[in-house]
Amino acid sequence: SQELEQSPQSLIVQEGKNLTINCTSSKTLYGLYWYKQKYGEGLIFLMMLQKGGEEKSHEKITAKLDEKKQQSSLHITASQPSHAGIYLCGADSTSGTYKYIFGTGTRLKVLA
Amino acid sequence: SAVISQKPSRDICQRGTSLTIQCQVDSQVTMMFWYRQQPGQSLTLIATANQGSEATYESGFVIDKFPISRPNLTFSTLTVSNMSPEDSSIYLCSVVWESGELFFGEGSRLTVL
Repeated sequence: SQELEQSPQSLIVQEGKNLTINCTSSKTLYGLYWYKQKYGEGLIFLMMLQKGGEEKSHEKITAKLDEKKQQSSLHITASQPSHAGIYLCGADSTSGTYKYIFGTGTRLKVLA
Repeated sequence: SAVISQKPSRDICQRGTSLTIQCQVDSQVTMMFWYRQQPGQSLTLIATANQGSEATYESGFVIDKFPISRPNLTFSTLTVSNMSPEDSSIYLCSVVWESGELFFGEGSRLTVL
C-alpha cells in the first residue's frame, strides 16, 4: 500500500530562518496536499499540487511537486512564530477517490 | 472555501458510553469523510459518508462501532459507540470542495476515561 514519509519529523528554527519539509511517496501521486495543524486542532489547507513540476506559493510558503510526482517539498522563507505547528502532506491513494492517506507530520517550532 | 463546523470541539467521556459528533457544512457538498487522528499519529480514514445511504467503511472500521448518518448534503454525524480509552482521538470531518480541494473541520477531541 502507498505510504507517505515526511522528513524531518521535527524541526526547531530561529525566527527569520528558512526551512524545508519533504514528503516522499512510494508510488506516483495523483494529487499532493499540504496542511498545517495547530496542536490538537483541525487541519488548515495550504496548497494542492497535481502536475509534475508544479510549484505554488502563498505568502512565505512555497510547495513543489517533482516531475515524477513522487516527492514534494514545502519551503518556508523567513519563518515566524506564527508558522509553528504540524505540517502534514496528504495524497489521494487512488486517483479520483479522495480517500486520502497522510504523512506522519513534521512538528515545527519557531523560536522568537 | 467551505466552512465546516464540528460539535463538540472536545469532550471527556466515560468508558462504555457513546458520543455523537456533528459536522455541518455551509454549502452543499457531494463527498464527505470522517477521519481519526490518534495521539501522536497521522490521520486515518474511517469512512465515506454517503448521502441517503449507508456509509462506506475502510478496513478496520465497522458500522456497529462507528455508525454514520448523512441525511443531506450539508450535514453528517459520527457516533463512537461503547467507548474505550483506545478511542481517545481527534475525529475530523472533511469535504471535497468544488475546486477539488479537501477541507477539514476543526476536529472533535475525545478523551475516554
